[in-house]
Amino acid sequence: GENVEQHPSTLSVQEGDSAVIKCTYSDSASNYFPWYKQELGKRPQLIIDIRSNVGEKKDQRIAVTLNKTAKHFSLHITETQPEDSAVYFCAASLPARQLTFGSGTQLTVLP
Amino acid sequence: KAGVTQTPRYLIKTRGQQVTLSCSPISGHRSVSWYQQTPGQGLQFLFEYFSETQRNKGNFPGRFSGRQFSNSRSEMNVSTLELGDSALYLCASSLVAGGDYEQYFGPGTRLTVT
Repeated sequence: GENVEQHPSTLSVQEGDSAVIKCTYSDSASNYFPWYKQELGKRPQLIIDIRSNVGEKKDQRIAVTLNKTAKHFSLHITETQPEDSAVYFCAASLPARQLTFGSGTQLTVLP
Repeated sequence: KAGVTQTPRYLIKTRGQQVTLSCSPISGHRSVSWYQQTPGQGLQFLFEYFSETQRNKGNFPGRFSGRQFSNSRSEMNVSTLELGDSALYLCASSLVAGGDYEQYFGPGTRLTVT
């Protein structure tokens, strides 16, 4: 089955700086890579996703890049704000199979 | 559209008991997946139902089971509860089957086994 590794486990940045979270996956056939944000006590929320036929996707301050050769994908958050503080999860899915999640990154944006 | 809802939100059970959790997907969504979230193991996939059929199953013992009704609502059942079953149980709904499509999570059911 698919295996997803996520780094770092914790990340602290100053407000206004950029944050980058990286994930690697094991199965080259994986075709879908979503990112979820989970605030304390809340449900995971889908913030951005990318498919294997796309190398990069951007939505305002958030972007995701995918390197299929290296089997890794990254979340980039620019101009971070205190409300970006949360746990971020990456995930990967083989076609028509279940999502496999990374272990999560606790992002803290310091004012 | 209303989001994914789960009931109950909190549950306290004793070892050896059984429990049933419910999930109502977003209107029109026919796929429901269940996940267990714990601090140590993260988010782990339990199973997925689509059109009342289990499509995918994770690596959990047979004590964990589920079903889906014709209105796409889903239930999961855990029998003979163990202390290690204490977790947040999340369901997620999607328009189509499989994990390679947008999934939207419910608020979860916090299960505590004593």
